[in-house]
Amino acid sequence: GAVVSQHPSRVICKSGTSVKIECRSLDFQATTMFWYRQFPKKSLMLMATSNEGSKATYEQGVEKDKFLINHASLTLSTLTVTSAHPEDSSFYICSASLTGGPNEKLFFGSGTQLSVL
Amino acid sequence: AQKITQTQPGMFVQEKEAVTLDCTYDTSDPSYGLFWYKQPSSGEMIFLIYQGSYDQQNATEGRYSLNFQKARKSANLVISASQLGDSAMYFCAMRKGGTSYGKLTFGQGTILTVHP
Repeated sequence: GAVVSQHPSRVICKSGTSVKIECRSLDFQATTMFWYRQFPKKSLMLMATSNEGSKATYEQGVEKDKFLINHASLTLSTLTVTSAHPEDSSFYICSASLTGGPNEKLFFGSGTQLSVL
Repeated sequence: AQKITQTQPGMFVQEKEAVTLDCTYDTSDPSYGLFWYKQPSSGEMIFLIYQGSYDQQNATEGRYSLNFQKARKSANLVISASQLGDSAMYFCAMRKGGTSYGKLTFGQGTILTVHP
């Protein structure tokens, strides 16, 4: 299947700092990438949809100024958690879409565990 | 609004036996897709199987099969010949229709434990 790479896998930062997470599609060009958040032993919640060359679309309740998304190329989307606080500690995971078609199988990155002290 | 429900918080199965993980869904969109993912303790989401709403036959991928009952709006995952490495969290997900086919709505998940 398609390979989606996500870095870093784990990051610990101090409260008030910003953290950048990268999501790359390694063997295909992703027209759209998606960012999810997951709390321990809970389900994944979609945060935003990232389209190359345009502004991200955020789900209701997600602060766009807190979670900055940049999709500068067809193989890279970044999520920056700005001025991180302990409540931002969570597991963040991305997925990438090649065709956007109805029968497309969707593959995920390996996720990033963010811990804010 | 779309909704995915997994009613089994946890399931136990003996190694080499088959197990069924339940998933029901609700949508008014005639075109949709249903996914199952495995999430081991490492956190990665591993794609297992996909079923489109217009597919006539149930999807199969190796030891995984999807029991798709459209009228009942259920999409249960069947794992045959369970292995110790199958122990993980399993998520059922539905692809939203419309212009953004990549958006997924996830169920609550089921923790599967395979006993030797």
